Amino acid sequence: EVQLVESGGGLVKPGGSLRLSCAASGFTFSDYTMNWVRQAPGKGLEWVSSISGSTNYIHYADSVKGRFTISRDNAKNSLSLQMNSPRGEDTAVYYCARGAHFGSGTYYDYWGQGTLVTVSS
Amino acid sequence: DIQLTQSPSFLSASVGDRVTITCRASQGISSYLAWYQQRPGKAPKLLIYAASTLQSGVPSRFSGSGSGTEFTLTISSLQPEDFATYYCQQLNSYPPFGPGTKVDIK
Repeated sequence: EVQLVESGGGLVKPGGSLRLSCAASGFTFSDYTMNWVRQAPGKGLEWVSSISGSTNYIHYADSVKGRFTISRDNAKNSLSLQMNSPRGEDTAVYYCARGAHFGSGTYYDYWGQGTLVTVSS
Repeated sequence: DIQLTQSPSFLSASVGDRVTITCRASQGISSYLAWYQQRPGKAPKLLIYAASTLQSGVPSRFSGSGSGTEFTLTISSLQPEDFATYYCQQLNSYPPFGPGTKVDIK
C-alpha cells in the first residue's frame, strides 16, 4: 500500500526557516517524481516544487524560487522541502504527492495527509 | 502559460442528481488533464487522468470526457460522499490546477 506521511509543519516567523519531510513507503521511491503541493486556508491547490527520481530535474513555482529547496534521499525513501525566508503568504497545508506519468505529462496519484505551516510573528 | 478555468465555481445539487463540471484550457492540451476530489479537511484524491481514464478504485459513476480546450467531469448519480470540491489539472504546463468547483448539498 502506497503511503506518504508528511511531518515538520508548525509555526515559523517571517524570515525564519523550516524543513518539511515526507516519508514514503509501499513503492519503489526512486522510480517516481515527487512533488510538493500546498493549499492556503480556504484557497485552491498550488503546485510548489517537483524533483525527478534521479534528481536530474528540479522545478519550482515562481512564488518560492530562491527561497525553498526540494531534495530527496532515495536510500531513506524520504522527500524534503527546506523553507527559508518564509512569508505570510506561504501559510498553507503542504502536501507531498507522488507523480505519475501520462505521455510527457505528470499527474498526482497518491497524496499525503498534509502538514500545516503557519508563518506569523 | 496555459490557464485553466472551471465552471461553475459553486454548484448546489441533491443526492441522485447528474452533475457536470466543465474545465476549459486557454490553449489546447490534447488529453493532458486530470480531475481530483477534495473533501473538507482531507487531501485531494485522484479521480481521472488522461481526460477520461478512471483511476483504480474510483466508482464508475464518475466519468471524464473532452480533449483540446474543453473537458467535463460527470457524476451520474450524486452520492452523499460526493459533496466536495473538484479540481482539474493540466498535466504538462504550469500552473497546473484549476480554481475548483465546490459541490454542495441543495
